[in-house]
This record gives sequence, structure tokens and C-alpha cells, in this order.
Amino acid sequence: RKEVEQDPGPFNVPEGATVAFNCTYSNSASQSFFWYRQDCRKEPKLLMSVYSSGNEDGRFTAQLNRASQYISLLIRDSKLSDSATYLCAVRAVGGYALNFGKGTSLLVTP
Amino acid sequence: EADIYQTPRYLVIGTGKKITLECSQTMGHDKMYWYQQDPGMELHLIHYSYGVNSTEKGDLSSESTVSRIRTEHFPLTLESARPSHTSQYLCASSDPGAEQYFGPGTRLTVT
Repeated sequence: RKEVEQDPGPFNVPEGATVAFNCTYSNSASQSFFWYRQDCRKEPKLLMSVYSSGNEDGRFTAQLNRASQYISLLIRDSKLSDSATYLCAVRAVGGYALNFGKGTSLLVTP
Repeated sequence: EADIYQTPRYLVIGTGKKITLECSQTMGHDKMYWYQQDPGMELHLIHYSYGVNSTEKGDLSSESTVSRIRTEHFPLTLESARPSHTSQYLCASSDPGAEQYFGPGTRLTVT
């Protein structure tokens, strides 16, 4: 079983829609959680860290569910520019390296 | 924006050549990483370093080697490139909060 799993999609949504992605992780002792955005043939860029209490940054909301071992990303009022692959990343206990999921592809259409 | 740089951005090279991919960061981060990513696939950690003179292999076996003589510099070397090494190589560094910042990547093609 992979340490971090994501539904690869693609998620095709119209502009203005709300879309949510989940990401599951296998190590219950994982400590830090992140969402990254990766555009085609570009490097991943940090979108937001995920805190235990949940956090919001504009149209983006991230949540952590430790009991079920998943993190989520909600995007409200989708824009065309939100089209990208969204990677979740989990830091294992005792280290600083991150385990990345394969990513979820989002396509926002006019 | 993160201050992490990689050169070259693109490299096409013949089989058997020795190559070094450069990575530098100006943020003073102790921790640096190399990932390999094929198109449409996930990132695989191949090397990491937690400070000067500290290097470790990552989860994905790699024929490359790394060195960390200076905090800001973390080069990756392939002694003899092969077509199977064709991939994108991404360098990253992290702050104490473990948030990783990536360089723009080197897209390597071995013919």
C-alpha cells in the first residue's frame, strides 16, 4: 500500500464550481501535511500547509482528519487558472523528507 | 517566492557521459532534497541532506551521487548517463517547519 494516495482524476468542473479532493495517508504517526500545486512540466509550488484545526486561504480550505487518516482540499468559486495537478504531501515521523501522492488533476472549463 | 536555482534547465546528452546537475539556494536552509519525476508520475525522493557533509539515499534507488560541502549547494552527479536516466530532476530545500520549496527542475534526456 502506498503511503500517500490520491484519486488521480481528472476532475472536470465548470468555472465557479466548488470542488474537493481527498488524500489518504497510511502512517498514523505522520506529523505534517501539505498541499502543493503543480502545473504541466513545472515544479510543485506550495499551496498551503494543513493544520489540525483546519485552515483557509481565500478560496482554498484545507482540513485534516486524523481519525480517518486523510486530508482534504476544497476550492470554492473555481477559476480557469486553478487548472493544475494538486499534490498532497505528508512528513513522516522522525524525518524531514515528504512523501508525495501522485496528484489529482483538475481542469476548470469555461 | 523561494530562492532556489537549478542549472541546466534542459540537458540532452549521450550515453556514457558524466553529468552534474547543479542546485543552489539562498535561504540558508539546512535541509535539501533531490526528487525524480517522470511525466504524469509521482515525485520520488532519491537523495537528501540535513546539513553540510550529511547525505542519505532516498526511497528510490538511484545510480546518482550527491555532495554537500556548502550549505547552499547540493549538486547531483551521474558518472555514466544511460537512457533510463531520462527524467525530470527536482531539487528542494526546507525550512524548520518542513515546508519544502522546489527549484524549477532539470529536464534530462540521455540519447
